[in-house]
Amino acid sequence: NAGVMQNPRHLVRRRGQEARLRCSPVKGHSHVYWYRQLPEEGLKFMVYLQKENIIDESGMPKERFSAEFPKEGPSILRIQQVVRGDSAAYFCASSFYVAPYEQYFGPGTRLTVT
Amino acid sequence: QKEVEQDPGPLSVPEGAIVSLNCTYSNSAFQYFMWYRQYSRKGPELLMYTYSSGNKEDGRFTAQVDKSSKYISLFIRDSQPSDSATYLCAMSESFGNEKLTFGTGTRLTIIP
Repeated sequence: NAGVMQNPRHLVRRRGQEARLRCSPVKGHSHVYWYRQLPEEGLKFMVYLQKENIIDESGMPKERFSAEFPKEGPSILRIQQVVRGDSAAYFCASSFYVAPYEQYFGPGTRLTVT
Repeated sequence: QKEVEQDPGPLSVPEGAIVSLNCTYSNSAFQYFMWYRQYSRKGPELLMYTYSSGNKEDGRFTAQVDKSSKYISLFIRDSQPSDSATYLCAMSESFGNEKLTFGTGTRLTIIP
């Protein structure tokens, strides 16, 4: 039973480029969460999505960041015009049930902006 | 002030020792308290969760929550080198609000 898959695992972008991070949830899970982990900091909630709907985006920066979870395919976190401060590990989690303790995390995508 | 405070360590203890990891928090609305283990370059893995105040035991791990003091703990008995990892506490207000608020994590090393 495959867990949460994220790709790419490592992504290098130059300032001003776009970064696309993909998350394939556990099969059957319809809830997806994105978190960001900055160096020496804990994970910070960004957004919670269900299929085709954004439920809570209270942790998303107002500009340059967007997320989607289409009916078919993986969830995508898109960062436009990346800056050095976007360098971080981005983790996706998924759940079948809507419960705080039911989030299963992927291995993360480490974004480096040069 | 951060909503969740956690001593980042690093913490080094000899194999077989009892380890105590702690978090404090300021949001009295938190009701669910989780402990995650994260190995280097991996995603967090849920160890235990507790609802409201009280204790919960699972093998060598015991989680304690004291809501009156806004203080939670994770105890690891008979620590093993394989327990070496970063331990993250996380909290949530309720069902329907699945946003997890994490501590910064404590880096633990068990010395053989």
